[in-house]
Amino acid sequence: RKEVEQDPGPFNVPEGATVAFNCTYSNSASQSFFWYRQDCRKEPKLLMSVYSSGNEDGRFTAQLNRASQYISLLIRDSKLSDSATYLCVVNGRDSNYQLIWGAGTKLIIKP
Amino acid sequence: DAMVIQNPRYQVTQFGKPVTLSCSQTLNHNVMYWYQQKSSQAPKLLFHYYDKDFNNEADTPDNFQSRRPNTSFCFLDIRSPGLGDAAMYLCATTSTGPHYGYTFGSGTRLTVV
Repeated sequence: RKEVEQDPGPFNVPEGATVAFNCTYSNSASQSFFWYRQDCRKEPKLLMSVYSSGNEDGRFTAQLNRASQYISLLIRDSKLSDSATYLCVVNGRDSNYQLIWGAGTKLIIKP
Repeated sequence: DAMVIQNPRYQVTQFGKPVTLSCSQTLNHNVMYWYQQKSSQAPKLLFHYYDKDFNNEADTPDNFQSRRPNTSFCFLDIRSPGLGDAAMYLCATTSTGPHYGYTFGSGTRLTVV
């Protein structure tokens, strides 16, 4: 079993729709959780950290469910510019500053 | 304004010809990483430095070496590139602490011919 698992997609979604991604992780001791966005042939960029109580940043909402060991990302009112791959990231087994990466979920927003 | 700079952006090398990729940072972060990323895959950690302490991932091939002469610079040396080493190589930095994400460079895309 992979340490961080994501549905690879692609998710094809019409502009304006709401889309949700889930991610599961295997290390119950993980403390830090992130969503990164990666555009085609570019480097990953931090989208948002995920906090225990859940957090929101504009159209983006992240949730953490420790009991079930999954993280979610919700994008409301999706824009064409949201098309990208979304990577779920969890801190590693051995330390807080080593991160374990999911392979990403590809999102395609259609006009 | 770029805080983690990788050079070059694109590198073409011949099969078996040594190549060096470079990374510099202006953030004074104590942790630096080298990742390899192939198409549609997660970034794969090759090495990381915690200050000067070098940490090699168990499955990083011996063909890959790294140097960190000071806080700001880090190099990735591929001694004998093979066709399977063609990938995007990403440098990232962070400071230790909870909920602190990475800052990535723009990557070097390596082609082996």
